[in-house]
Amino acid sequence: QKEVEQDPGPLSVPEGAIVSLNCTYSNSAFQYFMWYRQYSRKGPELLMYTYSSGNKEDGRFTAQVDKSSKYISLFIRDSQPSDSATYLCAITRGGANNLFFGTGTRLTVIP
Amino acid sequence: EAGVVQSPRYKIIEKKQPVAFWCNPISGHNTLYWYLQNLGQGPELLIRYENEEAVDDSQLPKDRFSAERLKGVDSTLKIQPAELGDSAVYLCASSSTPGVNEQYFGPGTRLTVT
Repeated sequence: QKEVEQDPGPLSVPEGAIVSLNCTYSNSAFQYFMWYRQYSRKGPELLMYTYSSGNKEDGRFTAQVDKSSKYISLFIRDSQPSDSATYLCAITRGGANNLFFGTGTRLTVIP
Repeated sequence: EAGVVQSPRYKIIEKKQPVAFWCNPISGHNTLYWYLQNLGQGPELLIRYENEEAVDDSQLPKDRFSAERLKGVDSTLKIQPAELGDSAVYLCASSSTPGVNEQYFGPGTRLTVT
């Protein structure tokens, strides 16, 4: 069983839509929850991370963690064609511990 | 500030041939990672270095894969001999202090084994 599960999609939405991307995990020891964005033929780039439970907002992006249900989400408001990419969730215990990635959700925003 | 640099970007080889990938991490980053990313999958850790020391190589197939990080800066990942199933993207990442473990990735090397 993988440490983190993610719906691979693909997901296609019209420009301006609200996008919801989700992951689940099983081990409550994980403390940091990250979202990476990966454009085609590029390496992943860190979008944002959340420590423990709660929400974190950065512009049009909101990361949400519910540790009680072991569920993490990324919301994108007013989606733009430039948001078209694969979004990877990643979890870690922090410190010198390793990062575990989901399979990624491929998002296409249609103009 | 320069990001993580990897070369080559693309490599096509025949099976049973050797291949090597090179990575230069962000300046000052002590921790270096090599990941394997198959099509439609997330990155999977192959090996992690803290300075010159390989602190986690449990997922590295040691019969054919090897890695080194001399002087604690650049790193090389080698496959010998390559198999068809090794076709994938090999990503290098680096991070500074443990803390949150924010990792910064290079563009990757796309390997095709024919």
